[in-house]
Amino acid sequence: QVQLVQSGAEVKKPGASVKVSCKASGYTFTSYGISWVRQAPGQGLEWMGWISAYNGNTNYAQKLQGRVTMTTDTSTSTAYMELRSLRSDDTAVYYCARATGYYYYYYMDVWGKGTTVTVSS
Amino acid sequence: EIVLTQSPGTLSLSPGERATLSCRASQSVSSSYLAWYQQKPGQAPRLLIYGASSRATGIPDRFSGSGSGTDFTLTISRLEPEDFAVYYCQQYGSSRITFGQGTRLEIK
Repeated sequence: QVQLVQSGAEVKKPGASVKVSCKASGYTFTSYGISWVRQAPGQGLEWMGWISAYNGNTNYAQKLQGRVTMTTDTSTSTAYMELRSLRSDDTAVYYCARATGYYYYYYMDVWGKGTTVTVSS
Repeated sequence: EIVLTQSPGTLSLSPGERATLSCRASQSVSSSYLAWYQQKPGQAPRLLIYGASSRATGIPDRFSGSGSGTDFTLTISRLEPEDFAVYYCQQYGSSRITFGQGTRLEIK
C-alpha cells in the first residue's frame, strides 16, 4: 500500500538545524512531488514547500526562504526537509505528504504520521 | 497570497444531523483547485475532497463538496460519531498554497 514513513522525534537547541526524512513506498516515487506541512501545538496547518521527486525543482514558503532546504534521494525513494537556525516557534509536528496534481498546483493525498520537532534550550 | 477564512470556528451538532462548513477565499481560486481535509487528535490530516467536489478514494458519500470562485462548502449529510474532528480547506490554485484556519466539529 502507498505510505510515507517519517523519521523519529527530535529535540534541538535554538540555532541548531534539523533534518527530517520521509521514505515513500507503494508507488513510483518520481511520478509525484512531496510537500511539507507543519503544525505548531494547538494550531492549524502551515504549508512549508514542495519538491518535485522527478527533477528536484522546489517551491518554498516565503517566510522560510533561506532557512529551509528540501531534497530527495531517488535511489531510496526518500525525501528530506532540513530547517536551519531553529527558533522556539519552529516547535511543531512536521508532516510530509504526497503532492498530486500538476507542478506547483497540487493537493496532498497521502500523509506521513508526522515528526515532532521540539526546540528548547 | 490567497487567504482562506473558514466558518464557523466551531460547530456543535448531534450524530445524524447535517453539517455545513464554509471556506471563503480572499480572491478567486482558479480552476476550483480547492481541497478539504479532516484531522483527528494525534493524527495526520486525511484528504476528503479535491477539485472542490471530487471525493478522494475511500471517502463515504455522506461527504460532499461544492462551490467555485471564492465560496466553497463541505457538507456532511448525516453525521456519524467518527466525523467529529477538525476540518481544513486548502487552495492550490496559486503557487503559494494556503490553508484555512480550520473548523472544529464537536458533539452537541
